[in-house]
Amino acid sequence: GENVEQHPSTLSVQEGDSAVIKCTYSDSASNYFPWYKQELGKRPQLIIDIRSNVGEKKDQRIAVTLNKTAKHFSLHITETQPEDSAVYFCAARSGAGSYQLTFGKGTKLSVIP
Amino acid sequence: KAGVTQTPRYLIKTRGQQVTLSCSPISGHRSVSWYQQTPGQGLQFLFEYFSETQRNKGNFPGRFSGRQFSNSRSEMNVSTLELGDSALYLCASSLHLSTEQYFGPGTRLTVT
Repeated sequence: GENVEQHPSTLSVQEGDSAVIKCTYSDSASNYFPWYKQELGKRPQLIIDIRSNVGEKKDQRIAVTLNKTAKHFSLHITETQPEDSAVYFCAARSGAGSYQLTFGKGTKLSVIP
Repeated sequence: KAGVTQTPRYLIKTRGQQVTLSCSPISGHRSVSWYQQTPGQGLQFLFEYFSETQRNKGNFPGRFSGRQFSNSRSEMNVSTLELGDSALYLCASSLHLSTEQYFGPGTRLTVT
């Protein structure tokens, strides 16, 4: 089955700096890659996603890039703010008959004011 | 539209008991997936349902079961509870199996 590795597990940045979180996946049939943000005590919230026919997608300060050949995808947050502090999860969905999401272990992002 | 709702939000049960958790998807969504979230294992897939049919099941013992009703609401049941079942149980709904999933607030289950 699919396996998703996520790095780093913790990340601290100064307010205004950029943050990058990287994930690798194992199943070359995977074709959908969402990112979720989970604040303490709250539900995971979908913040951006990308499908395998696209290399990059941006939404204001957030961008995701996908390299299908290398089987990795990354989340980029620019001009970080204290409210960006949360745990971020990447996930991959295989296109081979199953629609389940396989999640990475999460990255705890701390933005220091 | 109202978001995904889950009831109850908190549960405390004793080892050996059973529990039923409920999930109401976003109106119009026909697919519901369930995940177990623990600090050590992260988010792990339990099952997914579409049109009242279980389409896929994760690597969990048979004590974990679920179903989906004709109105797309879903329930999951855990029998013979073990201490290790303590976790946050999240459901997620999507319009179809291949579209974006939106999570509910979860049910925090504590087994003592």
